[in-house]
Amino acid sequence: GAVVSQHPSWVICKSGTSVKIECRSLDFQATTMFWYRQFPKQSLMLMATSNEGSKATYEQGVEKDKFLINHASLTLSTLTVTSAHPEDSSFYICSARDLAGGEETQYFGPGTRLLVL
Amino acid sequence: AQTVTQSQPEMSVQEAETVTLSCTYDTSESDYYLFWYKQPPSRQMILVIRQEAYKQQNATENRFSVNFQKAAKSFSLKISDSQLGDAAMYFCAYMRGSQGNLIFGKGTKLSVKP
Repeated sequence: GAVVSQHPSWVICKSGTSVKIECRSLDFQATTMFWYRQFPKQSLMLMATSNEGSKATYEQGVEKDKFLINHASLTLSTLTVTSAHPEDSSFYICSARDLAGGEETQYFGPGTRLLVL
Repeated sequence: AQTVTQSQPEMSVQEAETVTLSCTYDTSESDYYLFWYKQPPSRQMILVIRQEAYKQQNATENRFSVNFQKAAKSFSLKISDSQLGDAAMYFCAYMRGSQGNLIFGKGTKLSVKP
């Protein structure tokens, strides 16, 4: 299957700082990428949909000014957690939508563990 | 709104045996996709199997197969000849055809006993 990378895999930061997470589709072009958040022992919750060249669409309850998303190319989307606080500590996962061959599929990155002290 | 329900928080199977994980969903759409993803302790989400709603034939991928009952809105996953490496969280997911975002169930934790 297609490969999606995510960087960094682990980040620890101080409260009040900003953290940028990159999501790349390595062997396919993704016009749409998605950002999810997963708390321990829970399911994935969609935060936002990122479309190349346009503004991201955020789910209800997700602060767009806090979670900045940029999808500047067909292979890269970034999520910036601005002024991070301990409650932002979580596991963030991106996915990329692959429409190759007419088969709709999403492939996931390995995730980023964020710990805000 | 679409919802996905996995009614089994945990399941256990003996190595080499067969296990079935349940999933039901609710939608008024006719064009959609269904998926099973596996999440091992590494937390990497791995696609196990996918099913297009318009296809009546159940999808299969080696030891993994689904029982797709569209009228009943049921999408169960059968794992045959279970292996130790199958131990993981399994998430059932729904995708609306035009939107692409996934709606996940709460997951089923599968344990495989040697």
